[in-house]
Amino acid sequence: AQTVTQSQPEMSVQEAETVTLSCTYDTSENNYYLFWYKQPPSRQMILVIRQEAYKQQNATENRFSVNFQKAAKSFSLKISDSQLGDTAMYFCAFMKHGNYGGSQGNLIFGKGTKLSVKP
Amino acid sequence: DTAVSQTPKYLVTQMGNDKSIKCEQNLGHDTMYWYKQDSKKFLKIMFSYNNKELIINETVPNRFSPKSPDKAHLNLHINSLELGDSAVYFCASSRLLLGYEQYFGPGTRLTVT
Repeated sequence: AQTVTQSQPEMSVQEAETVTLSCTYDTSENNYYLFWYKQPPSRQMILVIRQEAYKQQNATENRFSVNFQKAAKSFSLKISDSQLGDTAMYFCAFMKHGNYGGSQGNLIFGKGTKLSVKP
Repeated sequence: DTAVSQTPKYLVTQMGNDKSIKCEQNLGHDTMYWYKQDSKKFLKIMFSYNNKELIINETVPNRFSPKSPDKAHLNLHINSLELGDSAVYFCASSRLLLGYEQYFGPGTRLTVT
């Protein structure tokens, strides 16, 4: 069974600074997908970034980037130039790769990291 | 236009009652999901439907019964509600192929008193 671990229950960062959220996972699969989702106080789940395990290049989305270390089973999220609107719970998630290029569908989530951006 | 919608957003009810939560997506996706988020914010898959067929059914009490009348809808019916059912329930949808992202609804906060 796959598991996802986020070892930092809470973190804080000053506005405009950089913060890194940690995520490790355990799987015997070789092909899979990894995601970071953001959940602000509004409760809405929003995809931040997605990484395919077969791609060596780290995914980036504007101020968000990941450090994907497949051998170490590590998938950290770096937020640059933190903004007040980045205050949220951040969830790391794993999705198993399925047949015919598909997926097994369900996301396996870590317990989340609560990030506070301070002015 | 709302991509994934859920009704109601808040639901307060008493133990023993039966309630339903509705979910609709207008993204043309073939797969829909129900997740439960507990009071500690932990999210866990409950069910998944692909083209109206159940493909994932995690260990969930059989008081919970999903129903998918068509690809765009996945409803969750809960019988004999218990205090421990209090949580936020999220519906999500995606295309099953290629590990596409899942789009989440706004969640339904269920409170059982």
